[in-house]
Amino acid sequence: SQKIEQNSEALNIQEGKTATLTCNYTNYSPAYLQWYRQDPGRGPVFLLLIRENEKEKRKERLKVTFDTTLKQSLFHITASQPADSATYLCALDGSGGYNKLIFGAGTRLAVHP
Amino acid sequence: NAGVTQTPKFQVLKTGQSMTLQCAQDMNHEYMSWYRQDPGMGLRLIHYSVGAGITDQGEVPNGYNVSRSTTEDFPLRLLSAAPSQTSVYFCASSRTVLWEQYFGPGTRLTVT
Repeated sequence: SQKIEQNSEALNIQEGKTATLTCNYTNYSPAYLQWYRQDPGRGPVFLLLIRENEKEKRKERLKVTFDTTLKQSLFHITASQPADSATYLCALDGSGGYNKLIFGAGTRLAVHP
Repeated sequence: NAGVTQTPKFQVLKTGQSMTLQCAQDMNHEYMSWYRQDPGMGLRLIHYSVGAGITDQGEVPNGYNVSRSTTEDFPLRLLSAAPSQTSVYFCASSRTVLWEQYFGPGTRLTVT
């Protein structure tokens, strides 16, 4: 069956370090993958989109990689700050005509001063 | 621009009651969708629409109906509420499914 896996355990890191979150998928052949941030009690907010023919994409302190062979995306936040503490969700287009966006359960990141 | 708006913010229903969750967007987006979010399960797609008059089922459509009579509005109807439908519901819109999704603030629904 199709599955998107994100680490369910919270990631705790010190301020200033690089946070790396993982998104693995099985039985999908996505054309693209998206990352979102969600704060408690709020709706998700879009961060980055990477297409299947792109290996890496950057935006300020954020970097996303997409390895279609490993079926994995890595999301990096460099020079992390306490304000980066949130849950991060990956999403990809589900099978069947690219009209369905399917989300992983998310990984909670806590950046400690 | 108000973006994506959802009403109500909170709702408590008794089992068997029906209700409509409202969603509207003012960005002229063609694609709209409804998700529910439960602890540990992430966002699950209920229904989506690629344009006015066109709707289709997502991963968990049972117990829910949608319609899309205008580009702006995409209401979600609960036909006969069940405790299993207790959840937080998010509406989202985008130019197409391949673009960034804009989410509403959510509706927290409790069915007793």
